[in-house]
Amino acid sequence: EVHLVDSGGGLVQPGGSLRLSCEASGFTFTDAYMSWVRQAPGKGLEWIGRIKSESDGGTTDYAAPVKGRFTISRDDSKNTLYLQMNSLKTEDTAVYYCATAPGYWGQGTLVTVSS
Amino acid sequence: DIVMTQSPDSLAVSLGERATISCKSSHSLLYSSNSKNYLAWHRQKPGQPPELLIYWASTRESGVPDRFSGSGSGRDFTLTISSLQAEDVAVYYCHQYYGTHWSFGQGTKVEIK
Repeated sequence: EVHLVDSGGGLVQPGGSLRLSCEASGFTFTDAYMSWVRQAPGKGLEWIGRIKSESDGGTTDYAAPVKGRFTISRDDSKNTLYLQMNSLKTEDTAVYYCATAPGYWGQGTLVTVSS
Repeated sequence: DIVMTQSPDSLAVSLGERATISCKSSHSLLYSSNSKNYLAWHRQKPGQPPELLIYWASTRESGVPDRFSGSGSGRDFTLTISSLQAEDVAVYYCHQYYGTHWSFGQGTKVEIK
């Protein structure tokens, strides 16, 4: 059974940084393309980025609102996915989920950007 | 990017009655090399993460009740709940994983009439 556990959320001031983690189990993490999806309060789901498996190059792709500010990485030795978020804005306030196709989700971690 | 559009935005259905949600994609989600539609449906109950119901447009995830079914191909898809139960009150999202950038429908809120 696919199991994803998100962590690292919290309150941060505008312009600050935060790193989220996602621990994976129940599937072959090294073969998986992993994504991050967020959900602002009362809103729908927004894909923000993905990382390919290392065997497929480990390259990343990002949605326009976060490109240049957010970085996705992975540590296959720890079965863990990361999201480094820099230059945070108030509009980045959301629950952040890690996910893998076709749609297995972590439980989410809340990031609040506020002064 | 692929745009996903759901209809209706909300619907109220009596317990035991059928609920039907439509999802239209701006691009075909049918991958010719494997004949699979890269379309999933998720249910999100209040305060919970989304949960996978259907993938490949019509394959029910393990443990999902058989009152849920998915159909369609190419650009037009449907989620049907054959007999609505109280626990089905939720927001439902269609989701394309065809492109590099995933995208989601805006959500359909299902309530009890």
